[in-house]
Amino acid sequence: AQSVTQLDSHVSVSEGTPVLLRCNYSSSYSPSLFWYVQHPNKGLQLLLKYTSAATLVKGINGFEAEFKKSETSFHLTKPSAHMSDAAEYFCVVSGARQAGTALIFGKGTTLSVSS
Amino acid sequence: NAGVTQTPKFQVLKTGQSMTLQCAQDMNHNSMYWYRQDPGMGLRLIYYSASEGTTDKGEVPNGYNVSRLNKREFSLRLESAAPSQTSVYFCASSFSNQPQHFGDGTRLSIL
Repeated sequence: AQSVTQLDSHVSVSEGTPVLLRCNYSSSYSPSLFWYVQHPNKGLQLLLKYTSAATLVKGINGFEAEFKKSETSFHLTKPSAHMSDAAEYFCVVSGARQAGTALIFGKGTTLSVSS
Repeated sequence: NAGVTQTPKFQVLKTGQSMTLQCAQDMNHNSMYWYRQDPGMGLRLIYYSASEGTTDKGEVPNGYNVSRLNKREFSLRLESAAPSQTSVYFCASSFSNQPQHFGDGTRLSIL
């Protein structure tokens, strides 16, 4: 069975400082992992995905994530936060091959960015 | 460049009323999904349709029905709305097990 745990429900940073959003996963299969972002009153937008190619994955808006199998982690980072990064972020795991049941969402991390 | 379109965007219902949420995608995706989002719970899958003509239950299907009308459209019906169904509902679509594309959501309140 697959599961995902986002270790922080809320992260606060200052503009221009690094961002770290932590995610641990559990999967019986070789997993596919995703990060999605949700801005207020909007749907979810894919930031990046890991599908067993390079372990360091680059996404949109300067975000990247590193897949560490030994630590079962897939943390999201950004070197320098921008005010527009304030949003909710979801770590998602997919391990099963069939559609529908394949995506398991974490409970989300709210990122606040102060000036 | 519409992507996934959900209607309506907002709705208020009284307990016991029925309602159909509409979803359409223009990306020729074979799979479509309905989720609900509640505070602190992430997204939970209600129903999905792996391909036209098929539907299956997700994690929280009770109180809902779905119809995959054609490849583009996937509707979610509440036959007798309950306050516990107050939530934000998201429709998504994808090619099989590829990343899903989401609509902007329907905010549903049941009094």
